[in-house]
Amino acid sequence: EVVMTQSPLSLPVTLGQPASISCRSSQSLLHSDGNTYLNWFQQRPGQSPRRLIYNFSNRDSGVPDRFSGSGSGTDFTLKISRVEAEDVAVYYCMQGTQWPYTFGQGTKLEI
Amino acid sequence: QVQLVQSGAEVKKPGASVKVSCKASGYTFTNYGITWVRQAPGQGLEWMGWINTYSDDTNYAQHLQDRVIMTTDTSTNTAYMELTSLKSDDTAVYYCAREVDSWGQGTLVTVSS
Repeated sequence: EVVMTQSPLSLPVTLGQPASISCRSSQSLLHSDGNTYLNWFQQRPGQSPRRLIYNFSNRDSGVPDRFSGSGSGTDFTLKISRVEAEDVAVYYCMQGTQWPYTFGQGTKLEI
Repeated sequence: QVQLVQSGAEVKKPGASVKVSCKASGYTFTNYGITWVRQAPGQGLEWMGWINTYSDDTNYAQHLQDRVIMTTDTSTNTAYMELTSLKSDDTAVYYCAREVDSWGQGTLVTVSS
């Protein structure tokens, strides 16, 4: 199965400053159909996960534009341009290219 | 609006089975698959499997495939996840999701003697 490795696992940030989370996969996530099925999720304390980014760089509806996704192949990044208090959460990457789908370990964003 | 409403919390003994339901509304049920994910206390997200709601084809996580059964009832737009031979480390919040873009509220399953 594809192993997803996130770093760092804990990310202390300052309000208004940028933040960046890395996600690496053990195999290329480029599907034979030409898409790269890499998702990013936000899970606030006590809440269900919420998808932020799909196909590595597409923001879901309602997601603030301070969130952006980039990358290719096996290396992906979630960036927050200016961290706000509501961004305190655990962030997960997940690959949907190869069965079984797999999640990264999660990165805890702390103010 | 898309909504997934899951069944309530369960307490089970080791060796028993649990069946969690996930009722979908606000979209055409058979146009999207249902994914099941679980989260043990204080831990990360674990992908359990996916069911094609049109064909009932399934894909399960390898380590669960002997114990998990995912089904659907298209007459009520409801998906089900049954986990058998429960162990204490199956204690977790179980989530359903429409593919992975809309999520249910989660169902806590506690396995304890």
